[in-house]
Amino acid sequence: DIQMTQSPSSLSASVGDRVTITCRASQSISSSLNWYQQKPGKAPKLLIYASSNLQSGVPSRFTGSGSGTDFSLTISSLQAEDFATYYCQQSYSTPRTFGQGTKLEIK
Amino acid sequence: QVQLQQWGAGLLKPSETLSLTCDVCGESSSDYYCNWIRQPPGKGLEWIGEINHESGSTNYNPSLKSRVTISVDRSNNQISLNLTSVTAADAAVYYCARAQALIAVAFYHYYAMDVWGQGTTVTVSS
Repeated sequence: DIQMTQSPSSLSASVGDRVTITCRASQSISSSLNWYQQKPGKAPKLLIYASSNLQSGVPSRFTGSGSGTDFSLTISSLQAEDFATYYCQQSYSTPRTFGQGTKLEIK
Repeated sequence: QVQLQQWGAGLLKPSETLSLTCDVCGESSSDYYCNWIRQPPGKGLEWIGEINHESGSTNYNPSLKSRVTISVDRSNNQISLNLTSVTAADAAVYYCARAQALIAVAFYHYYAMDVWGQGTTVTVSS
């Protein structure tokens, strides 16, 4: 199985801040990396697919990058609605695996 | 936001079988996979398995493979999840999610779960 490791596990930031979450795969997954946002009591929402492609309707302040084993999700200017938990997920092979999540909290 | 509809029993006794259904997960196309994912209370996401909507081929998480069956009913455009012999460790919110190839580069298709169900809370208690 491919292990996905996110860092940090939690992060405190303020509205307007720029934040970056990283995700590392235990082996190369090319660009088969997706990012999801989950708010309490809700299903996850796709933000970024294939490492750097913005899902339709997602604000452009979200950007993804990386290939191989190292990936990142950057939010350029945090808005109040961005405080949530973020997960990376590899679609390179089965079993599909998720990172453990990064909880983004208001400072 | 488009959402899949899912339903099934939410309260089970240990050793019973969990059965959930998800409506209109995909189309008869090889580009669609219907997934089941679960999330124990306060924890992260765990992938259970997937089924190709056209071929019916399945892939399962090895940790659950001996107890899981995912099937497709093309006449009703629904997929089902069965998980046998449940224990307290199976208590979670269960989601169905459609994965489709959102981009193709040099004949390689990149899949992502772009539409999810609302989630079903499953409790296991005697």
